[in-house]
Amino acid sequence: DIQMTQSPSSVSASVGDRVTITCRASQGISSWLAWYQQKPGKAPKLLIYAASSLQSGVPSRFSGSGSGTDFTLTISSLQPEDFATYYCQQANSFLYTFGQGTKLEIK
Amino acid sequence: QITLKESGPTLVKPTQTLTLTCTFSGFSLSTSGVGVGWIRQPPGKALEWLALIYWNDDKRYSPSLKSRLTITKDTSKNQVVLTMTNMDPVDTATYYCAHRRGVVVPAAAYFDYWGQGTLVTVSS
Repeated sequence: DIQMTQSPSSVSASVGDRVTITCRASQGISSWLAWYQQKPGKAPKLLIYAASSLQSGVPSRFSGSGSGTDFTLTISSLQPEDFATYYCQQANSFLYTFGQGTKLEIK
Repeated sequence: QITLKESGPTLVKPTQTLTLTCTFSGFSLSTSGVGVGWIRQPPGKALEWLALIYWNDDKRYSPSLKSRLTITKDTSKNQVVLTMTNMDPVDTATYYCAHRRGVVVPAAAYFDYWGQGTLVTVSS
């Protein structure tokens, strides 16, 4: 199985900050990666697919990059509604593994 | 507008079989490329993919749970059903169904629409 490891597990930041979350795959997955945002008590929301493609309706302050084994999600200027937990997901080979999550908290 | 909603028991006993139904609208599971998956999340923990069924009745399962899972579809009712046998307290989780975003490569899956989830507790 392909393991997905996110770092950090949690991060504190302020409104307006730039934040980067990292996801590492245990083996190469090309660009088959998605990022999701989840707020407490809610279903996950797809933000980014194919490593860097922005899902329709998602603000442009969210961006994704990477390929192979190393990927990043960047939020360019944090807004109050961005404080949530973020998950990466390996999206190919009929094995859809999620990372353990990164909790983004208000500083 | 795509919507999905999960239904099923909120409480099951250990060793019992869980049956969950995902009822959806806004798309058809007879359309090429369409798929519906199940993902679960234990309280306070990460997401775990369980199963995925495609428009052509191809079915895929998490290797670690494959022996316990069955996914089926009823295209006429716009429903997908997941059964999980031999339930254990560690299976306590919120279970989500989700729509597979259209991707040319059949082996790939991103989930762009999700149900609200249903919490299933396993306890005697």
